[in-house]
Amino acid sequence: DGGITQSPKYLFRKEGQNVTLSCEQNLNHDAMYWYRQDPGQGLRLIYYSQIVNDFQKGDIAEGYSVSREKKESFPLTVTSAQKNPTAFYLCASTLRQGTGSNYGYTFGSGTRLTVV
Amino acid sequence: KQEVTQIPAALSVPEGENLVLNCSFTDSAIYNLQWFRQDPGKGLTSLLLIQSSQREQTSGRLNASLDKSSGRSTLYIAASQPGDSATYLCAPRGGSYIPTFGRGTSLIVHP
Repeated sequence: DGGITQSPKYLFRKEGQNVTLSCEQNLNHDAMYWYRQDPGQGLRLIYYSQIVNDFQKGDIAEGYSVSREKKESFPLTVTSAQKNPTAFYLCASTLRQGTGSNYGYTFGSGTRLTVV
Repeated sequence: KQEVTQIPAALSVPEGENLVLNCSFTDSAIYNLQWFRQDPGKGLTSLLLIQSSQREQTSGRLNASLDKSSGRSTLYIAASQPGDSATYLCAPRGGSYIPTFGRGTSLIVHP
């Protein structure tokens, strides 16, 4: 079955460490997204990518970095510059615009990151 | 910039009630609107997608309507069950590559 796989499900980071969250999709989707979700808050966009080797900052990109070397993969690195990284992280994907109005967004199951 | 509002923010009802969740959006130039469900600690699961040319979409006990011109969508849940307890989010999709989500309606259905 096609879908998005996020790993790991739980991740613990020590102070000053960089950690990388994985997001892989086999849906042949063009665009991929990273969101952060905090308790009681909505989804906040960190980064997004429309095509391979291209990505744009979202609303809260500071302290995060991404790469898009392959269409199916969009890893997110939480750097030591991110002072409050404890949150739930969600990855999503979709086909590019212009492919019809019957395509929506697909989400992964999320990664919970905790600073220890 | 698209703005999405969901009302009510929270809802607690006894089992068996028919429910109405509302979603309003400011830019009516959309391709479709998607309703999601999110259980605690989980990702978003797509429930229904209504294309801009459609007025309604149904799946089991769920029915979603879309009035694009007025910037509104409604999710009806018939005969609610405790298993329906979750947060429900809507996402209108327009010309921008950036999806916009409402903050959701948190639903609790108690036995």
